[in-house]
Amino acid sequence: RKEVEQDPGPFNVPEGATVAFNCTYSNSASQSFFWYRQDCRKEPKLLMSVYSSGNEDGRFTAQLNRASQYISLLIRDSKLSDSATYLCAVIPYSGAGSYQLTFGKGTKLSVIP
Amino acid sequence: DADVTQTPRNRITKTGKRIMLECSQTKGHDRMYWYRQDPGLGLRLIYYSFDVKDINKGEISDGYSVSRQAQAKFSLSLESAIPNQTALYFCATSGGGAAGELFFGEGSRLTVL
Repeated sequence: RKEVEQDPGPFNVPEGATVAFNCTYSNSASQSFFWYRQDCRKEPKLLMSVYSSGNEDGRFTAQLNRASQYISLLIRDSKLSDSATYLCAVIPYSGAGSYQLTFGKGTKLSVIP
Repeated sequence: DADVTQTPRNRITKTGKRIMLECSQTKGHDRMYWYRQDPGLGLRLIYYSFDVKDINKGEISDGYSVSRQAQAKFSLSLESAIPNQTALYFCATSGGGAAGELFFGEGSRLTVL
């Protein structure tokens, strides 16, 4: 089983729709979780960290479910500008001082007018 | 100017040639990383360095070597390039902020014929 797996996508949604992505991780001792956004032909950029209690940033909500070992990203009221690939990232626990971020393959979102 | 700069941005080379990709950063971060991104495989870690005297192998280090010439510079070398090293290569840095927040360069697209 891959360390970090995401919904394969692509997701094609109309403007204004709500869309959710899931990401599962295999290492139950994983300690930190993130969502990155990557525009076409650009570098990834941090979208938001995922906290145990869940967190919200405007139209974006991230949640962590440790029992089922997944994180989710919810986008409300989708905009055309939300079209991008969304990468989940996890720091799996592999010993003291280890901070190797492991990425999922990404889920492509296209918001359609 | 970008905080994390990669050169060259695009390179086409032939099998067996030695290639060096360079990365420099003005963020003052200690930690630097090299990733490669392939369609369907996502971002995979090649090497990382937590300071000038520290070099660590990542998930896919075979066929690659790195040099941390200074805090601000981290180069990736392909001693004898092969076609399956055709990919988009990203350099990234992280600093004293939240673990998991990586700052990526704009990428170097390498094609090995």
